[in-house]
Amino acid sequence: QKEVEQDPGPLSVPEGAIVSLNCTYSNSAFQYFMWYRQYSRKGPELLMYTYSSGNKEDGRFTAQVDKSSKYISLFIRDSQPSDSATYLCAMSAGGLTDSWGKLQFGAGTQVVVTP
Amino acid sequence: GAGVSQSPRYKVAKRGQDVALRCDPISGHVSLFWYQQALGQGPEFLTYFQNEAQLDKSGLPSDRFFAERPEGSVSTLKIQRTQQEDSAVYLCASSLSSSSYEQYFGPGTRLTVT
Repeated sequence: QKEVEQDPGPLSVPEGAIVSLNCTYSNSAFQYFMWYRQYSRKGPELLMYTYSSGNKEDGRFTAQVDKSSKYISLFIRDSQPSDSATYLCAMSAGGLTDSWGKLQFGAGTQVVVTP
Repeated sequence: GAGVSQSPRYKVAKRGQDVALRCDPISGHVSLFWYQQALGQGPEFLTYFQNEAQLDKSGLPSDRFFAERPEGSVSTLKIQRTQQEDSAVYLCASSLSSSSYEQYFGPGTRLTVT
Protein backbone atom coordinates (compact mmCIF):
# COMPACT_ATOMS: atom_id res chain seq x y z
CA GLN A 1 0.00 0.00 0.00
CA LYS A 2 1.28 3.47 -0.91
CA GLU A 3 1.99 6.03 1.80
CA VAL A 4 -0.15 8.63 0.01
CA GLU A 5 -3.47 7.72 -1.61
CA GLN A 6 -5.30 9.94 -4.09
CA ASP A 7 -8.30 9.18 -6.30
CA PRO A 8 -7.15 9.48 -9.95
CA GLY A 9 -10.53 10.72 -11.23
CA PRO A 10 -11.31 12.11 -13.71
CA LEU A 11 -13.41 14.65 -11.84
CA SER A 12 -15.67 16.64 -14.14
CA VAL A 13 -17.40 19.81 -12.92
CA PRO A 14 -19.26 22.66 -14.64
CA GLU A 15 -17.66 26.09 -14.77
CA GLY A 16 -18.29 28.05 -11.57
CA ALA A 17 -18.67 24.97 -9.34
CA ILE A 18 -16.48 24.13 -6.36
CA VAL A 19 -13.82 21.49 -6.98
CA SER A 20 -13.11 19.28 -3.97
CA LEU A 21 -9.95 17.17 -3.92
CA ASN A 22 -8.45 15.05 -1.17
CA CYS A 23 -5.64 12.71 -0.17
CA THR A 24 -5.14 10.28 2.68
CA TYR A 25 -1.81 9.18 4.06
CA SER A 26 -0.43 6.61 6.44
CA ASN A 27 2.88 8.11 7.67
CA SER A 28 2.24 10.07 10.88
CA ALA A 29 5.67 11.74 10.51
CA PHE A 30 4.44 13.91 7.62
CA GLN A 31 4.33 17.55 8.73
CA TYR A 32 4.47 19.54 5.49
CA PHE A 33 1.65 19.30 2.98
CA MET A 34 1.53 20.70 -0.54
CA TRP A 35 -0.74 20.79 -3.54
CA TYR A 36 0.70 20.98 -7.05
CA ARG A 37 -1.03 21.59 -10.38
CA GLN A 38 0.30 19.84 -13.47
CA TYR A 39 -0.81 20.67 -16.99
CA SER A 40 -0.30 18.09 -19.71
CA ARG A 41 3.38 17.71 -20.69
CA LYS A 42 4.47 20.31 -18.12
CA GLY A 43 6.20 20.09 -14.76
CA PRO A 44 4.24 20.39 -11.50
CA GLU A 45 3.60 23.92 -10.20
CA LEU A 46 3.22 24.60 -6.47
CA LEU A 47 -0.23 25.94 -5.55
CA MET A 48 -0.50 25.69 -1.76
CA TYR A 49 1.78 24.81 1.13
CA THR A 50 0.63 24.07 4.69
CA TYR A 51 2.55 23.14 7.81
CA SER A 52 0.86 20.78 10.28
CA SER A 53 -2.92 20.92 10.80
CA GLY A 54 -5.23 23.77 9.89
CA ASN A 55 -6.63 25.74 6.98
CA LYS A 56 -4.98 28.06 4.51
CA GLU A 57 -6.66 30.25 1.93
CA ASP A 58 -5.15 31.89 -1.14
CA GLY A 59 -7.55 33.51 -3.58
CA ARG A 60 -9.89 30.84 -4.94
CA PHE A 61 -7.89 28.03 -3.29
CA THR A 62 -8.34 26.63 0.24
CA ALA A 63 -6.17 23.88 1.68
CA GLN A 64 -7.13 21.92 4.79
CA VAL A 65 -5.07 19.47 6.81
CA ASP A 66 -6.47 17.12 9.46
CA LYS A 67 -3.49 15.28 10.93
CA SER A 68 -5.66 13.30 13.38
CA SER A 69 -7.48 11.71 10.43
CA LYS A 70 -4.41 11.76 8.13
CA TYR A 71 -6.51 13.56 5.53
CA ILE A 72 -5.85 16.66 3.43
CA SER A 73 -8.14 18.58 1.09
CA LEU A 74 -7.98 21.25 -1.59
CA PHE A 75 -11.01 23.30 -2.60
CA ILE A 76 -11.15 25.45 -5.72
CA ARG A 77 -13.98 28.00 -5.75
CA ASP A 78 -15.53 29.49 -8.90
CA SER A 79 -13.74 26.95 -11.09
CA GLN A 80 -12.67 27.99 -14.59
CA PRO A 81 -11.87 25.91 -17.71
CA SER A 82 -8.24 27.00 -17.20
CA ASP A 83 -8.27 25.03 -13.92
CA SER A 84 -8.49 21.81 -15.96
CA ALA A 85 -5.31 19.94 -15.01
CA THR A 86 -4.01 17.15 -12.80
CA TYR A 87 -3.76 18.06 -9.13
CA LEU A 88 -1.11 16.32 -7.07
CA CYS A 89 -0.88 16.26 -3.30
CA ALA A 90 2.60 15.98 -1.82
CA MET A 91 3.94 15.70 1.69
CA SER A 92 7.17 15.51 3.64
CA ALA A 93 8.42 14.57 7.07
CA GLY A 94 10.74 17.58 6.97
CA GLY A 95 14.01 16.06 8.02
CA LEU A 96 12.66 13.90 10.84
CA THR A 97 12.86 10.66 8.89
CA ASP A 98 13.77 11.77 5.39
CA SER A 99 15.85 14.32 3.57
CA TRP A 100 14.56 17.83 4.04
CA GLY A 101 12.36 18.63 1.06
CA LYS A 102 12.04 15.02 -0.16
CA LEU A 103 8.41 14.84 -1.27
CA GLN A 104 6.02 11.90 -1.38
CA PHE A 105 3.35 12.49 -4.03
CA GLY A 106 -0.11 11.10 -4.56
CA ALA A 107 -0.99 9.71 -7.98
CA GLY A 108 -2.83 12.90 -8.96
CA THR A 109 -6.48 13.64 -9.69
CA GLN A 110 -7.42 14.75 -13.21
CA VAL A 111 -9.90 17.65 -13.11
CA VAL A 112 -11.98 18.76 -16.09
CA VAL A 113 -13.95 22.02 -15.84
CA THR A 114 -16.52 22.24 -18.61
CA PRO A 115 -17.71 25.64 -19.92
CA GLY B 1 13.46 35.09 -15.29
CA ALA B 2 14.52 31.68 -16.48
CA GLY B 3 13.02 28.68 -14.76
CA VAL B 4 14.38 25.17 -14.50
CA SER B 5 15.28 23.81 -17.90
CA GLN B 6 15.84 20.22 -18.93
CA SER B 7 17.28 18.67 -22.06
CA PRO B 8 16.52 16.83 -24.15
CA ARG B 9 12.73 17.16 -23.83
CA TYR B 10 12.23 13.79 -25.53
CA LYS B 11 14.62 10.86 -25.80
CA VAL B 12 14.10 7.53 -27.51
CA ALA B 13 16.68 4.88 -26.65
CA LYS B 14 17.06 1.29 -27.72
CA ARG B 15 17.16 -1.20 -24.88
CA GLY B 16 20.71 -1.49 -23.62
CA GLN B 17 21.80 2.02 -24.60
CA ASP B 18 23.12 4.56 -22.12
CA VAL B 19 21.38 7.93 -21.78
CA ALA B 20 22.25 11.22 -20.09
CA LEU B 21 19.60 13.72 -19.02
CA ARG B 22 20.52 17.29 -18.16
CA CYS B 23 19.02 19.72 -15.68
CA ASP B 24 19.78 23.45 -15.43
CA PRO B 25 18.33 24.70 -12.14
CA ILE B 26 17.37 28.26 -11.36
CA SER B 27 20.55 30.25 -10.81
CA GLY B 28 21.57 30.35 -7.16
CA HIS B 29 19.32 27.51 -6.05
CA VAL B 30 21.10 25.33 -3.52
CA SER B 31 18.94 22.22 -3.60
CA LEU B 32 18.26 20.03 -6.61
CA PHE B 33 15.98 17.01 -6.84
CA TRP B 34 15.37 14.34 -9.46
CA TYR B 35 12.00 12.57 -9.69
CA GLN B 36 10.67 9.84 -11.97
CA GLN B 37 7.04 10.06 -13.12
CA ALA B 38 5.43 7.01 -14.73
CA LEU B 39 2.33 7.46 -16.86
CA GLY B 40 -0.71 8.24 -14.72
CA GLN B 41 1.32 8.37 -11.50
CA GLY B 42 2.75 11.05 -9.27
CA PRO B 43 6.47 11.82 -9.26
CA GLU B 44 8.66 9.42 -7.30
CA PHE B 45 11.78 10.75 -5.56
CA LEU B 46 15.10 9.57 -6.99
CA THR B 47 17.89 11.67 -5.48
CA TYR B 48 18.74 15.00 -3.81
CA PHE B 49 21.73 17.35 -3.97
CA GLN B 50 22.65 20.22 -1.71
CA ASN B 51 25.15 22.19 -3.78
CA GLU B 52 27.51 19.54 -5.18
CA ALA B 53 26.91 17.01 -2.39
CA GLN B 54 24.53 14.14 -3.09
CA LEU B 55 22.84 13.80 0.28
CA ASP B 56 20.18 11.23 -0.55
CA LYS B 57 20.12 8.67 -3.35
CA SER B 58 17.70 6.29 -1.69
CA GLY B 59 15.18 6.49 -4.54
CA LEU B 60 17.50 5.42 -7.35
CA PRO B 61 15.94 2.14 -8.57
CA SER B 62 19.18 0.32 -9.38
CA ASP B 63 22.91 0.80 -9.75
CA ARG B 64 22.28 1.56 -13.43
CA PHE B 65 21.14 5.01 -12.33
CA PHE B 66 23.74 7.61 -11.48
CA ALA B 67 23.44 11.35 -10.85
CA GLU B 68 26.00 14.08 -10.43
CA ARG B 69 26.21 17.83 -9.86
CA PRO B 70 29.96 18.46 -9.90
CA GLU B 71 29.97 22.26 -9.61
CA GLY B 72 26.79 22.71 -7.64
CA SER B 73 24.72 23.98 -10.55
CA VAL B 74 23.95 21.81 -13.61
CA SER B 75 23.08 18.20 -12.86
CA THR B 76 23.11 15.10 -15.05
CA LEU B 77 21.13 11.91 -14.51
CA LYS B 78 22.68 8.97 -16.31
CA ILE B 79 21.00 5.66 -16.95
CA GLN B 80 23.18 2.80 -18.13
CA ARG B 81 21.94 -0.19 -20.13
CA THR B 82 18.40 1.17 -20.35
CA GLN B 83 15.47 -1.21 -19.86
CA GLN B 84 11.84 -0.84 -20.94
CA GLU B 85 10.77 -0.23 -17.35
CA ASP B 86 12.92 2.92 -17.36
CA SER B 87 10.43 4.56 -19.73
CA ALA B 88 9.01 7.54 -17.83
CA VAL B 89 9.21 11.31 -17.50
CA TYR B 90 12.24 12.41 -15.50
CA LEU B 91 11.62 15.64 -13.63
CA CYS B 92 14.18 17.93 -12.10
CA ALA B 93 13.31 20.46 -9.38
CA SER B 94 15.33 23.09 -7.56
CA SER B 95 14.76 25.14 -4.45
CA LEU B 96 16.46 28.22 -3.11
CA SER B 97 17.74 26.82 0.16
CA SER B 98 18.12 23.52 1.94
CA SER B 99 15.14 24.32 4.18
CA SER B 100 12.76 25.63 1.53
CA TYR B 101 9.74 23.55 0.51
CA GLU B 102 9.03 25.60 -2.59
CA GLN B 103 10.39 23.37 -5.33
CA TYR B 104 10.36 24.67 -8.89
CA PHE B 105 10.01 21.92 -11.45
CA GLY B 106 11.33 21.75 -14.98
CA PRO B 107 9.21 20.45 -17.87
CA GLY B 108 10.78 17.01 -17.68
CA THR B 109 12.48 14.67 -20.13
CA ARG B 110 10.23 11.98 -21.59
CA LEU B 111 12.32 8.83 -22.03
CA THR B 112 11.01 6.00 -24.16
CA VAL B 113 12.99 2.77 -24.26
CA THR B 114 12.17 0.52 -27.21
